[in-house]
Amino acid sequence: GAVVSQHPSWVICKSGTSVKIECRSLDFQATTMFWYRQFPKQSLMLMATSNEGSKATYEQGVEKDKFLINHASLTLSTLTVTSAHPEDSSFYICSAPVGFRGETQYFGPGTRLLVL
Amino acid sequence: LAKTTQPISMDSYEGQEVNITCSHNNIATNDYITWYQQFPSQGPRFIIQGYKTKVTNEVASLFIPADRKSSTLSLPRVSLSDTAVYYCLVGDPRDMRFGAGTRLTVKP
Repeated sequence: GAVVSQHPSWVICKSGTSVKIECRSLDFQATTMFWYRQFPKQSLMLMATSNEGSKATYEQGVEKDKFLINHASLTLSTLTVTSAHPEDSSFYICSAPVGFRGETQYFGPGTRLLVL
Repeated sequence: LAKTTQPISMDSYEGQEVNITCSHNNIATNDYITWYQQFPSQGPRFIIQGYKTKVTNEVASLFIPADRKSSTLSLPRVSLSDTAVYYCLVGDPRDMRFGAGTRLTVKP
């Protein structure tokens, strides 16, 4: 099946710094990718839809200036958490849709962010 | 935007068959039903997808009644390694919202 990778798998940073997370589709092209956030014992929450060549679409309540998304190519989307704070500590997961209507998602392994 | 409802948790024993049912009363005509499995600190993994009737692959079966308002994921002969959260999703990924999922615990 389709493979999606993320880098880094985990990151620890100081409060106030910015962190970039990469999401790559390894064996297919993805004009769209999705970014999720997951807190412990909770479900995945969609943050934004990343679109190659255009601006990302953010879900209600997600600050676009804090979570910068860049879909630079058909295989790479990046999420930058700017001025990170401890409450941004979470598990960030990306996915890419596959199929005629994009009805199947393949997920990355996730990135664990810890902000001190 | 089809909302899904699943049991919050289920317990089973090794070797048993497990059936997890998901309700999606307002499923749209073109919507597919997809099930994912998630282990702690990992991204969800695709298990199976269907549109109607029955679909079977090497790990699971998916039963969908004629009205498509529900679906049942069947895991044959579960093992300890099947302990995970299982999510049922319906529709276009752009409109999908993850529910709480079903936390399956397989006991020895």
